[in-house]
Amino acid sequence: RKEVEQDPGPFNVPEGATVAFNCTYSNSASQSFFWYRQDCRKEPKLLMSVYSSGNEDGRFTAQLNRASQYISLLIRDSKLSDSATYLCVVDTYSSASKIIFGSGTRLSIRP
Amino acid sequence: DTGVSQDPRHKITKRGQNVTFRCDPISEHNRLYWYRQTLGQGPEFLTYFQNEAQLEKSRLLSDRFSAERPKGSFSTLEIQRTEQGDSAMYLCASSLYPSGGRTDTQYFGPGTRLTVL
Repeated sequence: RKEVEQDPGPFNVPEGATVAFNCTYSNSASQSFFWYRQDCRKEPKLLMSVYSSGNEDGRFTAQLNRASQYISLLIRDSKLSDSATYLCVVDTYSSASKIIFGSGTRLSIRP
Repeated sequence: DTGVSQDPRHKITKRGQNVTFRCDPISEHNRLYWYRQTLGQGPEFLTYFQNEAQLEKSRLLSDRFSAERPKGSFSTLEIQRTEQGDSAMYLCASSLYPSGGRTDTQYFGPGTRLTVL
């Protein structure tokens, strides 16, 4: 089993729709969680950190469920510009090699 | 531009040749990471530095790979005797640790795309 798993997608949704993805992690000692966005052939860019209480940034909401060991990302009122791959990142603080990136979920927004 | 920069952006080489990549982190960042990313996968950790000290290396990093950060600023990643399986995007990231909180937010450079023929 991979340490961080994501549904690879692609998720293909119409503009204006709400879309959500989950990411599961296997190490219960994980401490920090992030969502990164990666456009085709570009570098990953931090979208948001994920806090225990959940957090929102505009149309984006991130949630953490420690009991079930998953994090989620919700995108409301999706825009064409949201089309990208979304990478889940989990950090245990134990070592740098334990900063684990998921394989990403591809999202495509259609007009 | 004060972000992370990498050079070259693209490198095509023949199998068996040596290649070296450079990364310039954000100037006040003390941590520097190297990752490798292949198509359809997330970045895989290779190694990282805190200032000039190389603190950890992945088991993925064979003895053909070496990284340095001699003055705690820029870093180089060298691959000796390249193999076709080394073809990938090599990403560098930097962060400021500790940052006042427990999160160690990494900022990525644009990557060096290596193609080994």
